[in-house]
Amino acid sequence: GNSVTQMEGPVTLSEEAFLTINCTYTATGYPSLFWYVQYPGEGLQLLLKATKADDKGSNKGFEATYRKETTSFHLEKGSVQVSDSAVYFCALNAIQGAQKLVFGQGTRLTINP
Amino acid sequence: EAQVTQNPRYLITVTGKKLTVTCSQNMNHEYMSWYRQDPGLGLRQIYYSMNVEVTDKGDVPEGYKVSRKEKRNFPLILESPSPNQTSLYFCASSIGTGRDTQYFGPGTRLTVL
Repeated sequence: GNSVTQMEGPVTLSEEAFLTINCTYTATGYPSLFWYVQYPGEGLQLLLKATKADDKGSNKGFEATYRKETTSFHLEKGSVQVSDSAVYFCALNAIQGAQKLVFGQGTRLTINP
Repeated sequence: EAQVTQNPRYLITVTGKKLTVTCSQNMNHEYMSWYRQDPGLGLRQIYYSMNVEVTDKGDVPEGYKVSRKEKRNFPLILESPSPNQTSLYFCASSIGTGRDTQYFGPGTRLTVL
């Protein structure tokens, strides 16, 4: 079946550090890939997405590239801020014609000033 | 403002007492879903709906019911709640499927004693 595996958390970094959160997936066909972010006490918000191989999604300084050969969609940011502290979820949707997101377990990120 | 709303935001109840969590969206979206979020498991889909009167099971439908009588509303019904349904619940909607972004509500934290 379809599945998403994320880097175990929690992750703690200092402000301005480089961030990588690893995400790999298993899916049939050609899934769309997403990163969602959940700030404390809020629902999930789309951070970025990529819908085909080699696409790069980007938003708010975050980037992720859809790598079909390694089945990965790692999230990166060059210089994190305290305001980036949140839980990050990698997700895929492999079924065209259905609204069926499969999520990873989430990675809690804390940025210290 | 485009949004997905859920009520209540917090609920404590007892085993066996029927409850309904409401979900409403004002974006005229065709697709709506319910997810539950549990530590270490990410989000798992409970049910989804492709349009009025059209619903289907997600990955963890046992113990839940849904209905879609109007396009904007998608209530989640727990006929006889049990402690293992203690969780954080999210409603989501999207204009389409596959690569389309899902918009999430703020969440409902349910405790079943």
